[in-house]
Amino acid sequence: DIVMTQSPDSLAVSLGERATINCKSSQSLFYSSNNNNYLAWYQQKPGQPPKLLIYWASTRESGVPDRFSGSGSGTDFSLTISSLQAEDVALYYCQQYFRSPTTFGQGTRVEVK
Amino acid sequence: DVHLLESGGRLVQPGGSLRLSCVASGFTRFPFSDFAMAWVRLRPGRGLEWVSTISGSGARTYYADPVKGRFTISRDNFKSTLYLQLDSLRAEDSAVYYCAKDGHGDFEPSYLDSWGRGTLVAVSS
Repeated sequence: DIVMTQSPDSLAVSLGERATINCKSSQSLFYSSNNNNYLAWYQQKPGQPPKLLIYWASTRESGVPDRFSGSGSGTDFSLTISSLQAEDVALYYCQQYFRSPTTFGQGTRVEVK
Repeated sequence: DVHLLESGGRLVQPGGSLRLSCVASGFTRFPFSDFAMAWVRLRPGRGLEWVSTISGSGARTYYADPVKGRFTISRDNFKSTLYLQLDSLRAEDSAVYYCAKDGHGDFEPSYLDSWGRGTLVAVSS
């Protein structure tokens, strides 16, 4: 199975500041025939289901604020919140869907400093 | 917007069985049968774990190793409903179970663009 490792496990950022979460996969998630990285990011708030933020590593889901962006390729990826808002406090997960079984990172908790 | 509503979770004894349901609505542009559907669970203190996926037609099913041979995924496209039969339950199966829709169509694996609110399964004597 492809192992997804997120860092850090938790992150405290001041409101309005940048937050960056990293995700490393044990195998490349890049498929050269379609030039896509098979990597998604989700946000989960307490008592709520996960919400898709980003897919294909950098494509923002409809309705997701543009302060959320995804980057990276191959085995190293990042989710950046350009200006943290109070409503962004949540757990964030990366997911690879390059090879079955799909696997998730362990999660990164983002809090307000 | 797609809406998914799970039900069926409850307290069950080890070795017991349970059937979870997920009723889908809001498929206006493309029918429910055009999309693979998945079950993902969130265990206490653990992260998200994919459990099972079924193709749009129901012809293909996929399972995570920890549940293979014990869980069965199925769907009724006329009722727009997804099911998960859980047999031989163990304490480590205790989790919130989410149903989720394939964001890319009828692929496995895929990203998941719509999720239900989840149903809680507790396995304990």
